[in-house]
Amino acid sequence: DADVTQTPRNRITKTGKRIMLECSQTKGHDRMYWYRQDPGLGLRLIYYSFDVKDINKGEISDGYSVSRQAQAKFSLSLESAIPNQTALYFCATKSDNEQFFGPGTRLTVL
Amino acid sequence: AQSVTQLDSQVPVFEEAPVELRCNYSSSVSVYLFWYVQYPNQGLQLLLKYLSGSTLVKGINGFEAEFNKSQTSFHLRKPSVHISDTAEYFCAVSDGPGTYKYIFGTGTRLKVLA
Repeated sequence: DADVTQTPRNRITKTGKRIMLECSQTKGHDRMYWYRQDPGLGLRLIYYSFDVKDINKGEISDGYSVSRQAQAKFSLSLESAIPNQTALYFCATKSDNEQFFGPGTRLTVL
Repeated sequence: AQSVTQLDSQVPVFEEAPVELRCNYSSSVSVYLFWYVQYPNQGLQLLLKYLSGSTLVKGINGFEAEFNKSQTSFHLRKPSVHISDTAEYFCAVSDGPGTYKYIFGTGTRLKVLA
């Protein structure tokens, strides 16, 4: 079984809809991250969490919110989706020296 | 602030030829450096990392990278590529142990031609 899982893997939605992307991990790491990947821009950090009570904004948090329900679960929400949020979204965990990525969620906002 | 530059957005190379993917980072007192690979429709997988010690780092699938502090570079190399190496490669940097943040380059798409 994968250490970091994401659901759904693909999602198509309409402008204005609320969307939640979920991430679960079995690695036992306290640190979890949400990134988005856009062609030619690499990965950009949306939010990160050091533990259940410690959540921090990344470089592109506008339009997003997160919830850390437990050490193993970190969800990303788009309260009102817009087309420029169409991207590939990755969840990751972090040990002292390495990040571990989920398989990604491809989100399309029409 | 730390930054990472991958100048080559795409690199085509014939099978069994050598390849070098370039990565430069902005200077910092201490850095950890990483190369990740992303195969089509998959997440990112760690190829190799430099934390300290020997400047030549060997990773999986025959890749290696050399940390050059004076040139602030961490170029990825493979002496003979295979079709299966076709993927996107990302260089990343962090400021050392315990730091929360990785900075990623924009990626280099390696296309291996038959």
